[in-house]
Amino acid sequence: KAGVTQTPRYLIKTRGQQVTLSCSPISGHRSVSWYQQTPGQGLQFLFEYFSETQRNKGNFPGRFSGRQFSNSRSEMNVSTLELGDSALYLCASSVGGTKNIQYFGAGTRLSVL
Amino acid sequence: AQKITQTQPGMFVQEKEAVTLDCTYDTSDPSYGLFWYKQPSSGEMIFLIYQGSYDQQNATEGRYSLNFQKARKSANLVISASQLGDSAMYFCAMREGPYAGNNRKLIWGLGTSLAVNP
Repeated sequence: KAGVTQTPRYLIKTRGQQVTLSCSPISGHRSVSWYQQTPGQGLQFLFEYFSETQRNKGNFPGRFSGRQFSNSRSEMNVSTLELGDSALYLCASSVGGTKNIQYFGAGTRLSVL
Repeated sequence: AQKITQTQPGMFVQEKEAVTLDCTYDTSDPSYGLFWYKQPSSGEMIFLIYQGSYDQQNATEGRYSLNFQKARKSANLVISASQLGDSAMYFCAMREGPYAGNNRKLIWGLGTSLAVNP
């Protein structure tokens, strides 16, 4: 079974631009979560989608948004990029159940210049 | 307030020896899950082991075991017979709330960098 796929792997943008990141979950997984990882703040939860609905949201400004499609694929958008948005963005999918284990993709490394 | 504390920024271990990575957590929720993940330099977060707050026994997965001490709120990862490929960042994470609930948000520690020496 294929794992979580994130595209693109690397992105370079300039301040003020917007960016869209994509995540394809493991087949059969309906929940997709997004995390931001930076050296200073570590890993922080952005949001979680389940069956096309956002069910949980972290403490990020409205410039960060996401959506989920009927095939469970998810996209994350960041508008008006700032230098501080430079980070590794990780997507995770889960099937639920008692353990609710999240399986991660390789991430998208975003650099904002 | 930080809810997951990993006090060892970096650790060294000799190949084939065992190593313990520390993790303490703080929560008032009686129902929670604890996770350990490995992140190699490639960036992918790899799931290693899970411990539920109501699990009676310590979790084990191959060379990985979790030393769960609920009263002390600690969930240390033990890696037996270290291999060179174990060199990576290791993260402890917690999910608060019911096992089968809707909460999938993980709260993370800052990680421990493990280097395995040949």
